[in-house]
Amino acid sequence: RKEVEQDPGPFNVPEGATVAFNCTYSNSASQSFFWYRQDCRKEPKLLMSVYSSGNEDGRFTAQLNRASQYISLLIRDSKLSDSATYLCAVNPLGGKLIFGQGTELSVKP
Amino acid sequence: DTGVSQDPRHKITKRGQNVTFRCDPISEHNRLYWYRQTLGQGPEFLTYFQNEAQLEKSRLLSDRFSAERPKGSFSTLEIQRTEQGDSAMYLCASSTTGNEQYFGPGTRLTVT
Repeated sequence: RKEVEQDPGPFNVPEGATVAFNCTYSNSASQSFFWYRQDCRKEPKLLMSVYSSGNEDGRFTAQLNRASQYISLLIRDSKLSDSATYLCAVNPLGGKLIFGQGTELSVKP
Repeated sequence: DTGVSQDPRHKITKRGQNVTFRCDPISEHNRLYWYRQTLGQGPEFLTYFQNEAQLEKSRLLSDRFSAERPKGSFSTLEIQRTEQGDSAMYLCASSTTGNEQYFGPGTRLTVT
């Protein structure tokens, strides 16, 4: 079993749709959690840190469920510009990040 | 631009050659990380430094790979005797201790 697993993609959604991604992790001692966005052939860009209480940034909401060991990302009112690969990342011990394989999102007009 | 920078952005080399990549972190960041990413996968951790000290190395980092951060600022990643399987995007990231990691644009390595 991989340490961090994401929903398989691709997700193809129309503009304006709400889309949710889940990510599960295996190390229950993991300390911090992140969502990154990666455009084709570019570097990952930090989208959001994920806090225990959940957090929201505009159309994006991230949640953490420690009991079930998963994090989620909700995107409301999808825009064409949201098309990208979304990577979840888990910091197990305060140093390295362990990434999921990424979920590709394609928002269509 | 005060973000993470990497050089070169692209490198094509023949199998068996040595290559070296450089990463300059965000100036106030004491931690520097190296990752490798292949198509369709998330980045895989290779190694990281806190200041000059190399704190962790992945088992992915064979003895052909070596990384340094001699003055606690920029870092180099060297691959000796490159193999076709080394073809990947090599990403550098930096952070302050325990905080979010910010990535550079990467070095795309192609081994022919």
